Amino acid sequence: SQQGEEDPQALSIQEGENATMNCSYKTSINNLQWYRQNSGRGLVHLILIRSNEREKHSGRLRVTLDTSKKSSSLLITASRAADTASYFCATSDSGTYKYIFGTGTRLKVLA
Amino acid sequence: DVKVTQSSRYLVKRTGEKVFLECVQDMDHENMFWYRQDPGLGLRLIYFSYDVKMKEKGDIPEGYSVSREKKERFSLILESASTNQTSMYLCASSFRNRGGDEQFFGPGTRLTVL
Repeated sequence: SQQGEEDPQALSIQEGENATMNCSYKTSINNLQWYRQNSGRGLVHLILIRSNEREKHSGRLRVTLDTSKKSSSLLITASRAADTASYFCATSDSGTYKYIFGTGTRLKVLA
Repeated sequence: DVKVTQSSRYLVKRTGEKVFLECVQDMDHENMFWYRQDPGLGLRLIYFSYDVKMKEKGDIPEGYSVSREKKERFSLILESASTNQTSMYLCASSFRNRGGDEQFFGPGTRLTVL
């Protein structure tokens, strides 16, 4: 079953604006990851945040994790047209090799 | 450059045919995964393998089987293709860390079953 749910399902912003998308999950996790998928392609790993971390940065990406609320957010700052893609969160727990993906947020950045 | 490759980008098959989807990784990863992706449903795990000849069912294994005879290769088999198996199929691999590690994905195979 899918436990990651992204919100919003779709987001449209102007180039240069910030984009924020959220992920909620249901069970305890070992880490949470964010992936990007360009149209019709495979997924590309963006960033991983462990359950004992609260915030992580990578370039224009900022991820936060709130384990008490079982939620995470991905912030993309100063967005570009090339950021247009679908974004997925994925969770895993320490007892399994499995990952559970959410249904994704479709981001469109208008030039 | 690390890579996960899938045998076909697009595939069209007829109902009842046996279908093989091949995935090869060159990163010496222990774990390999097969997902299907459908609009509005995200990625759903079909099967995964954490070692050669080892396999475990994912969330939707019905109608599928897998084979992992070599570490670098993981095959997904549709024993008798049906129209409801029309989907995008994604293969991924990762190092064997319980609790998750970065997954590397192939480009996907878009399968249409007529």
